[in-house]
This record gives sequence, structure tokens and C-alpha cells, in this order.
Amino acid sequence: QQQVKQSPQSLIVQKGGISIINCAYENTAFDYFPWYQQFPGKGPALLIAIRPDVSEKKEGRFTISFNKSAKQFSLHIMDSQPGDSATYFCAASIEGYGNKLVFGAGTILRVKS
Amino acid sequence: GAVVSQHPSWVICKSGTSVKIECRSLDFQATTMFWYRQFPKQSLMLMATSNEGSKATYEQGVEKDKFLINHASLTLSTLTVTSAHPEDSSFYICSASTEFGRPQHFGDGTRLSIL
Repeated sequence: QQQVKQSPQSLIVQKGGISIINCAYENTAFDYFPWYQQFPGKGPALLIAIRPDVSEKKEGRFTISFNKSAKQFSLHIMDSQPGDSATYFCAASIEGYGNKLVFGAGTILRVKS
Repeated sequence: GAVVSQHPSWVICKSGTSVKIECRSLDFQATTMFWYRQFPKQSLMLMATSNEGSKATYEQGVEKDKFLINHASLTLSTLTVTSAHPEDSSFYICSASTEFGRPQHFGDGTRLSIL
């Protein structure tokens, strides 16, 4: 119940295209859903986060779509660029559970120029 | 803002020695710090949570005596890998959050190689 399932495992997108990464969860107590971007040899960097009372949040080229009834959320990267090539992790946490993050398995994104 | 610095970034040491990794929040007070371990091409695995001035809470399966965590101030937490062995080789990453708990800001990790 504490798992967050992420797909796909890897993704290749042409420059300028849309990258879509999906995550699903079971525990309805999760109340915070961040996305992190990680480059090789670096720590994860927070991209964008959403709470379940919002269905969509956009920051620049990054958008989170959230479907509470389906217990799914996704990251959309518009106009994908080679510099976006990285590993992306979705995560979830519960405020009353110490805000510990449960991470998805990660998606390796490669944007071809 | 919200910068977390981790030091060293890479350390190589002999089997049996102890290694200390520092995690500092540079521009905010970190009420809570988290320590993760990451194997190549895998996700982050939470090892422990530490609150300033309190004993760390370790996740199931993490050896408390092997991985000593100290969170003595609101800007510094340390992870000491005691009597390190080759199987302890990994990428260790810390994160920090304010009293609000969210978001977590991550350091750039420490690559530990035990020979």
C-alpha cells in the first residue's frame, strides 16, 4: 500500500515533443505528490509538486495532472529538450507519517536532438 | 534558495575504516533531515530520518550500529558508516526540510567506494 508505481521505465522522445511519465498509488492517505529530476552523479532536484485538491499544476514546460479517483498522477514535459534528458522520479508522502517520501522506480528520459 | 550541501562528494577508503558524510542546509534551518541510499539505476531507499536534537529513526532493515546519524544542529547532520565493507559501497544522499516538512531539498550525494 506504500508503493508508488511508475511507468515507463525508459522513454525516448524527439526534441520538441511531449514527454509523459505516469505514476499510480494505492494509499489514499498520500497528500503530497512531488516530481524530482536527477542527473547522473547528482542528487534529485524538485521540479514540481501537487496536492490532491488540485487536478493540474503547471510550471513552465512542466505540468502535473492529478486524477484522485483513479489514484494516478502524471508529469508532462512540453517542448522536450536534450537538456531534459535525466531520470525522473515521482514520489508521495503523508503529512502524519513524518513526510517520508515514497519514491517510484524512476524513468530514464532521453530526448533526441 | 533551499540549498543543501553534502561533503565529500566522493570518498574511497579501505575495508574496515569508518567514513563520515556531512549534510548541511546552507540557507534555511532544517528541522528534519533524511538519509537515502541509491544503487546504480535504482530508486532512492530511505535509510533514516533525523530531527534536530533527537535520535534518528531508522527504516526497517537498516543497521543502526553500522550507520550512525547525528543531527546536532539545525543546519548539520552527519552519517558515519562504521567498519565499512565493500557491500556498503553506494551513493548516499541526504535531504532536508523545514518545520513544514515539505518539500525535501536534496544534496548532491556522496559516492562511497570501499576497497
